[in-house]
Amino acid sequence: ETGVTQTPRHLVMGMTNKKSLKCEQHLGHNAMYWYKQSAKKPLELMFVYSLEERVENNSVPSRFSPECPNSSHLFLHLHTLQPEDSALYLCASSPSRGLETQYFGPGTRLLVL
Amino acid sequence: AQTVTQSQPEMSVQEAETVTLSCTYDTSESNYYLFWYKQPPSRQMILVIRQEAYKQQNATENRFSVNFQKAAKSFSLKISDSQLGDTAMYFCAFMKHRGGADGLTFGKGTHLIIQP
Repeated sequence: ETGVTQTPRHLVMGMTNKKSLKCEQHLGHNAMYWYKQSAKKPLELMFVYSLEERVENNSVPSRFSPECPNSSHLFLHLHTLQPEDSALYLCASSPSRGLETQYFGPGTRLLVL
Repeated sequence: AQTVTQSQPEMSVQEAETVTLSCTYDTSESNYYLFWYKQPPSRQMILVIRQEAYKQQNATENRFSVNFQKAAKSFSLKISDSQLGDTAMYFCAFMKHRGGADGLTFGKGTHLIIQP
């Protein structure tokens, strides 16, 4: 039990579908993160939230839309994805932004057909 | 921007041996953190060890220790008395102090296989 959970663990979707990934942390942390892990590439930071405030990351396509309704929950809304978006999406949290160790969830394995 | 390089895509050792994984990084920052994370086949990313750049003493955590050479920008991980459960991908990661929007910068990883 790491304290960071993610659902679903596996997701298959078509390019025209809309789906959402959910992350929940039970650690009382104030910062949450989305990372993308593709084959043969380093993990890439997608979004950072600190005290529910989003820190912009301009390199992420608009077909990925994050939402942080409170400090314990983080969503990643997906729409009109491409096959190259297939990857493992990891959520992480830390006590505060940029100072503390990040703790990761188990990830959602996404396949876009 | 920071970069992290892990030059060993895969390593294999016998159980109970000692193994060292290498990591180098490039940064203009003077204050930062370095991490080793482990990702077993279950895909759960687990923190192995953490080092603050301002500390000269190398971090240790049971069988895991690091050799942090700040001037050389090197951060290697030593695993002593290796166990079958150590089989995993190992990622070296960098974070600026008060990292802001940058989060963690990861290397590509080293696949470590412990043979029985």
